[in-house]
Amino acid sequence: SAVISQKPSRDICQRGTSLTIQCQVDSQVTMMFWYRQQPGQSLTLIATANQGSEATYESGFVIDKFPISRPNLTFSTLTVSNMSPEDSSIYLCSDRLANEQFFGPGTRLTVL
Amino acid sequence: SQKIEQNSEALNIQEGKTATLTCNYTNYSPAYLQWYRQDPGRGPVFLLLIRENEKEKRKERLKVTFDTTLKQSLFHITASQPADSATYLCALSASGGSYIPTFGRGTSLIVHP
Repeated sequence: SAVISQKPSRDICQRGTSLTIQCQVDSQVTMMFWYRQQPGQSLTLIATANQGSEATYESGFVIDKFPISRPNLTFSTLTVSNMSPEDSSIYLCSDRLANEQFFGPGTRLTVL
Repeated sequence: SQKIEQNSEALNIQEGKTATLTCNYTNYSPAYLQWYRQDPGRGPVFLLLIRENEKEKRKERLKVTFDTTLKQSLFHITASQPADSATYLCALSASGGSYIPTFGRGTSLIVHP
């Protein structure tokens, strides 16, 4: 399985600012996924990112709020834009091998 | 609407006993069901996958059952240890789609020495 790392591991941000989360995979993967895990809630898929094409967003998530880049097969970024306290959450990068989903350690975001 | 339900209350058991966690779902035609373990501050880790045509799957001390009539999966940890304490997530991948899993909220397991 691929090893997934994320940066930053945590951050505290002010309302109205933006944060870009980086995800690095140690092998080439076709699809990368971004999830959100709010306190006491289930993992929710934000979008699927394929290299060389626009990300596919799930219902309730839009590109203006969560722009995603996927410049190559080992790297992706998720930006949380114009943040509000409701965006406080853990953001997880993921890839898939066969039918198994693999996750990074997550980025814990707190918005004040 | 599609729903995956796991006990929100923590399950407390004594070391050595068998822990049983439940996952119920509605309005799904699952191709397969997965169980993940999540420790605090970490991402989920894949444990087991069971397909719709399988009744039971085992891996070491873990056993998963899948009843598509009852729309339920049971996850068992035998001879539980304090190190098994974690949150366990159930995830379903629907047939006819991209197979990207949808996750339940998870159940916290606490194994007391």
